[in-house]
Amino acid sequence: GESVGLHLPTLSVQEGDNSIINCAYSNSASDYFIWYKQESGKGPQFIIDIRSNMDKRQGQRVTVLLNKTVKHLSLQIAATQPGDSAVYFCAEHNTNAGKSTFGDGTTLTVKP
Amino acid sequence: DVKVTQSSRYLVKRTGEKVFLECVQDMDHENMFWYRQDPGLGLRLIYFSYDVKMKEKGDIPEGYSVSREKKERFSLILESASTNQTSMYLCASSLSRNSNQPQHFGDGTRLSIL
Repeated sequence: GESVGLHLPTLSVQEGDNSIINCAYSNSASDYFIWYKQESGKGPQFIIDIRSNMDKRQGQRVTVLLNKTVKHLSLQIAATQPGDSAVYFCAEHNTNAGKSTFGDGTTLTVKP
Repeated sequence: DVKVTQSSRYLVKRTGEKVFLECVQDMDHENMFWYRQDPGLGLRLIYFSYDVKMKEKGDIPEGYSVSREKKERFSLILESASTNQTSMYLCASSLSRNSNQPQHFGDGTRLSIL
C-alpha cells in the first residue's frame, strides 16, 4: 500500500546550522508533496509544497527538493533557529484519490 | 487565514458511550478530513468528505462514522467508544478535491476513553 517514510525519527542540530530532513515515498501516482510543521500542543501547519513537475522550490529559509527517480523528498532549513524545534511531517498527495498520506514525522531539536 | 476549530481540546468519556467530535472551518473549503495521531504511527486518515452529505472511508474507518450536513461542519462519531480509541484527533480542511492545496488543521482534541 501507500506509505511515506522519514529516514530519521529525530534530528538534533546547533543553532545557526542548516538542517536537512529526509522523506521517502512509495506511490508513483503521487503528484503533490507537502511539508508540515507541528509544534507542541498544536495541529500541523503548512510550510512549503512542491508539485511533481518541479524538482526544487524555495521559500523563506526553507527549500524542498523532489527526486522522483528515487521517490525522495527533502526539507532544508537554513540557519536553524530555536523556534524551528518541532515535529516535521512530509505528505504525499494523489489528486485522483483526493487524499494525502503522511509520514511518521521527524522531531527536530535545535540546541542553543 | 483559514481557521479550523475543534470544539474541545480535551475530552474524557467512558467505554461504550457515543462520542461526538465537532469541527468547523470558516473558509468555504469543500474538503474536510478526520485523522487520529498516535506516537510512532503518524497521522492516520479515518474519514474524509468532498461535499455536503458526502463521505469517504480513509485508512482506519472501523468504529467511526462521520456526518457532514453543512459545508463548514464535519463531525466524527464514535458509535461505542473503546479504550483503543484513546488518541489525539485532528480535523483538517482543504480547498477542493482537484486542487493541489495544503490542508489546514485544527489544534486537535485529545480524547481519553476510560
